[in-house]
Amino acid sequence: DTEVTQTPKHLVMGMTNKKSLKCEQHMGHRAMYWYKQKAKKPPELMFVYSYEKLSINESVPSRFSPECPNSSLLNLHLHALQPEDSALYLCASSQEEGLTDTQYFGPGTRLTVL
Amino acid sequence: GDSVTQMEGPVTLSEEAFLTINCTYTATGYPSLFWYVQYPGEGLQLLLKATKADDKGSNKGFEATYRKETTSFHLEKGSVQVSDSAVYFCALSLAFGTGTQLKVEL
Repeated sequence: DTEVTQTPKHLVMGMTNKKSLKCEQHMGHRAMYWYKQKAKKPPELMFVYSYEKLSINESVPSRFSPECPNSSLLNLHLHALQPEDSALYLCASSQEEGLTDTQYFGPGTRLTVL
Repeated sequence: GDSVTQMEGPVTLSEEAFLTINCTYTATGYPSLFWYVQYPGEGLQLLLKATKADDKGSNKGFEATYRKETTSFHLEKGSVQVSDSAVYFCALSLAFGTGTQLKVEL
């Protein structure tokens, strides 16, 4: 099984809402990632978890809060977002966090903030 | 830090034409190099990778060779199909190129 799943597929939220994005993998990977991708742009790294510990936080605003409850699950909690946060949010996983490891991406959650 | 520079798109080709998408990199250490493909409305998929100098990655008719002397990892395909229309990203660890949109027409 080389699949990374993400739910929901689409999400529309107001600026005062609280919502969560969920990502799951069952490949035994120990590194998981959140990326933000705007239209016609490359993915921008947001967070990296390695062995369930936050390894990299790319100066992401605190209205985005990641959580890694176990080695298979990664959540992204959203609160008080702005319209400019509308984007495709991609989750990925890899065997380890390293220079040589292939990342496996989920299909993404398309987020619209009204 | 590590970075990737990729040729700008969009690239429009006729079916069965030859494809080259240029990618150069700057890196410390000995990273692997990757090409990912993104079809409309989907996440990224690994197309091919190379782990060391002079390695050639290949998949579905696409090839790229890890050239340390020119710090390049150009993507090539001898005969493109309409189904190859997508955005292609060159990547090094967590650094992605800007992406090249390929459109193949009949």
